[in-house]
Amino acid sequence: GAVVSQHPSRVICKSGTSVKIECRSLDFQATTMFWYRQFPKQSLMLMATSNEGSKATYEQGVEKDKFLINHASLTLSTLTVTSAHPEDSSFYICSVEQGNGELFFGEGSRLTVL
Amino acid sequence: AQSVTQLGSHVSVSEGALVLLRCNYSSSVPPYLFWYVQYPNQGLQLLLKYTSAATLVKGINGFEAEFKKSETSFHLTKPSAHMSDAAEYFCAVSLYSYDKVIFGPGTSLSVIP
Repeated sequence: GAVVSQHPSRVICKSGTSVKIECRSLDFQATTMFWYRQFPKQSLMLMATSNEGSKATYEQGVEKDKFLINHASLTLSTLTVTSAHPEDSSFYICSVEQGNGELFFGEGSRLTVL
Repeated sequence: AQSVTQLGSHVSVSEGALVLLRCNYSSSVPPYLFWYVQYPNQGLQLLLKYTSAATLVKGINGFEAEFKKSETSFHLTKPSAHMSDAAEYFCAVSLYSYDKVIFGPGTSLSVIP
């Protein structure tokens, strides 16, 4: 299956700053990547579908201006949390699909906003 | 819209006992169904998937699941629990390839020595 890598795995930032999380598909050209958010002890919530070369598709209730997604190449998608606040602290996970609905996940990135 | 429910947010079993994690889905068309496992502070790993082939699906680590259309269920089982099975388990559904995948709330499995 596809190998997906996320960076950084952990990041701590001050309130009001912006943080960028990278998601790389190491062995598969992914035209579509998915970004999920997971709160402690909770399930994964789909935030947006990242499309290479076009705008991301955001799920209802997700702020487009807060969570900027860029999918500039077939192997890289980035999620930027702008003007982060403590309530943005969460575990962010990206994934890619090679077909048949099966997702391959990155290791996740834990964001802590102080 | 498709959705997934998992009965029991937490399940405890003794080592060597049967593991049964429940999943029911709602979908307007025949779905793709998945079980994923998540260990602490890690991403998710696919255990098994149903994509309209055999209704009894075998996965990794001795897990299997049976798709029952009449019950709209896709329960996960393992005959004998091992300590290493302790983790969070998520049932998920999608409608077709490259469709968004919707996850259930998850079931935390504890294995008692």
